[in-house]
Amino acid sequence: DIVVTQSPDSLAVSLGERATINCQSSQSVLYSSDNKNYLGWYQQKPGQPPKLLIYWASTRASGVPDRFSGSGSGTDFTLTISTLQAEDVAIYYCQQFYSAPHTFGQGTKLDIK
Amino acid sequence: QVRLWESGPGLVKPSETLSLTCVVSGYSISSSQFWGWIRQPPGKGPEWIGSLSHLGDVYHNPSFKGRLSMSMDTSRNQFSLKLSSATASDTAMYYCARAVDRIGVALFDLWGQGTLVTVSS
Repeated sequence: DIVVTQSPDSLAVSLGERATINCQSSQSVLYSSDNKNYLGWYQQKPGQPPKLLIYWASTRASGVPDRFSGSGSGTDFTLTISTLQAEDVAIYYCQQFYSAPHTFGQGTKLDIK
Repeated sequence: QVRLWESGPGLVKPSETLSLTCVVSGYSISSSQFWGWIRQPPGKGPEWIGSLSHLGDVYHNPSFKGRLSMSMDTSRNQFSLKLSSATASDTAMYYCARAVDRIGVALFDLWGQGTLVTVSS
């Protein structure tokens, strides 16, 4: 199984500042046939299901603000929130959808400093 | 407006079968390639359980080792999950969700609100 590890487990960032969350997979999730990274990012607020933010490592899902961006390739990925808003307080998960069992990271809790 | 909602018993006894149904409204389940189940134990990250399509394709998380059964009823616009031999470790919030078309079987863009299932005697 591909193990997905996020860092840090939690972080606190001031409003308007940049937040960066890292995700590492135990093996590459870059599919050679289409040159796409099978890595997604979700945001989960208390009492709600996860919300898809990013897929293909860097493509924003429909309706996601452009302050959210994803980068990386192979085994190392980053989610960046360029200017943190109060509504961005949540737990963020990365997920590899390259191969079963399509594992999620353990989550990164983002708070306001 | 597309809605998914999960229904089923909130309490299941150990060794019994956990059964859930996901009802979809505002959208035909035959219009999307894959639908799935995900669970999330309290305070932990999500875990993909499995995905299925209206064409009969089914993908399971191997960790469920033959305990898992999924089915779809297009006439009722719903799909179902059965997990046999339940144990306390199956206690979790269970979500049904729609997979993003043409991307994969396990990347989900539309989720139900979830239903909490507790396995306890």
